[in-house]
Amino acid sequence: EVQLVESGGALVQPGVSLRLSCAASGFSVSSNYMRWVRQAPGKGLEWVSVIYSDGSTSYADSVKGRFIVSKDKSKNTLFLQMNSLRAEDTAVYYCAREGDPDYWGQGTLVTVSS
Amino acid sequence: SYELTQPSSVSVSPGQTARITCSGDVLATEYTRWLQQKPGQAPVVVIYKDSDRPSGIPERFSGSSSGTTVTLTISGAQVEDEADYYCYSAADNNWVFGGGTKLTVL
Repeated sequence: EVQLVESGGALVQPGVSLRLSCAASGFSVSSNYMRWVRQAPGKGLEWVSVIYSDGSTSYADSVKGRFIVSKDKSKNTLFLQMNSLRAEDTAVYYCAREGDPDYWGQGTLVTVSS
Repeated sequence: SYELTQPSSVSVSPGQTARITCSGDVLATEYTRWLQQKPGQAPVVVIYKDSDRPSGIPERFSGSSSGTTVTLTISGAQVEDEADYYCYSAADNNWVFGGGTKLTVL
C-alpha cells in the first residue's frame, strides 16, 4: 500500500529555515516523480516543486532560490529545505507521488509569523 | 501561465447527480486529475487521465472530457461526498490547479 507521511512543520519566525520530510512506503521515492504542493489557510492548492527520478528538479517562481527539494534513497524519504521563510509561505505542505493515480500525504503545517 | 477554472460551489440533494466542470486551454493536450479534499484527511484522487477511476473509488464517480473542458460527475451523490474538489493537470514542469469547488450534499 502506498503511504506518504509528512513531518517537520512548525511555527517559525520570518527569515529562518525549516526542513520538511516525507516518508514513503509501498514504493521507491527514487524511481518516481515526487512533488510538493502547498495550501495557504482557506486558499487553493499551489504547486511548489518536483524532483524527477533522474534527480533533476524544478520550482515554482514563488520559491525558486529559497527552497531545495531532495531525496534519500536509503531512507526512502523526500525532503524540502525551506530557507528565508516569509509570511506568505504559511501553508499546509503536501508531498505527492506522481503516477496513475497520484498519491498524496496528509500534509504538515508551516506557520511563518513573528 | 496556465489557468484552470472551476465553479466555486455546487449544491445537490442526496441521490441527485452532481457535475463539476473545469476549463482551461491546457486541457486540450494534457490529462486531468480530480482531487477530493475533506477536512483533516489526506487528499484523494478520484479520477485520473480524465476518466479513469482508481481502485477503491466508488463507481458513482466518473470523468469526461471535451476539448478544453473536463467534467467530474457524481451520480447519486451521497452525504459523504461533500468535500472540496480540485481539478489539476500537468503543464511544462508544473502542476496547475483549478480554484476548487465546494460540493454540498444536503
